[in-house]
Amino acid sequence: GQSLEQPSEVTAVEGAIVQINCTYQTSGFYGLSWYQQHDGGAPTFLSYNALDGLEETGRFSSFLSRSDSYGYLLLQELQMKDSASYFCAVREGDKIIFGKGTRLHILP
Amino acid sequence: KAGVTQTPRYLIKTRGQQVTLSCSPISGHRSVSWYQQTPGQGLQFLFEYFSETQRNKGNFPGRFSGRQFSNSRSEMNVSTLELGDSALYLCASGLAGGDEQYFGPGTRLTVT
Repeated sequence: GQSLEQPSEVTAVEGAIVQINCTYQTSGFYGLSWYQQHDGGAPTFLSYNALDGLEETGRFSSFLSRSDSYGYLLLQELQMKDSASYFCAVREGDKIIFGKGTRLHILP
Repeated sequence: KAGVTQTPRYLIKTRGQQVTLSCSPISGHRSVSWYQQTPGQGLQFLFEYFSETQRNKGNFPGRFSGRQFSNSRSEMNVSTLELGDSALYLCASGLAGGDEQYFGPGTRLTVT
């Protein structure tokens, strides 16, 4: 079977940096994705890592270590609009499995 | 390109009834996946269809079923509704083998 573990909640201050971790266990691993979901909205794709290392897209970066079955999403220069839930996800064959999500609270 | 659309957006049903939800993927996307989202449980995989074939099914009872049509539109059906089926049902489409899922706005199902 497969499982993904991520913290249920994280709190950070506006303008700061926050890291959301994700560890996974799968029988077959292709890559790690990250999605953002605002309250009342649909999840939207943020990033995908298939290889070890850091991928940067603007204020957001995502890291993967395949040997450690671990990845993280890094959000810099936090803005209030970043308050949302963040999900890591892995592909297992033809299906994509999501973690339970991390609720990010941002304090002014 | 139009995004993924789902109908209806909101639905209220009573226990024991059955319900059908519809999803139209982005044009050109042949893979459609369904997820159930409840507070604290994240997105739980229901099933995935590609070219009218169910390729994967999650750990849900047989009351949950689905199908995909030749135009890639998909429907999911839940029979004999239970209170615990109250959730947001999300549909996502993507390219075959792709890792980016495009989600629809969801159908909020309330079972009373």
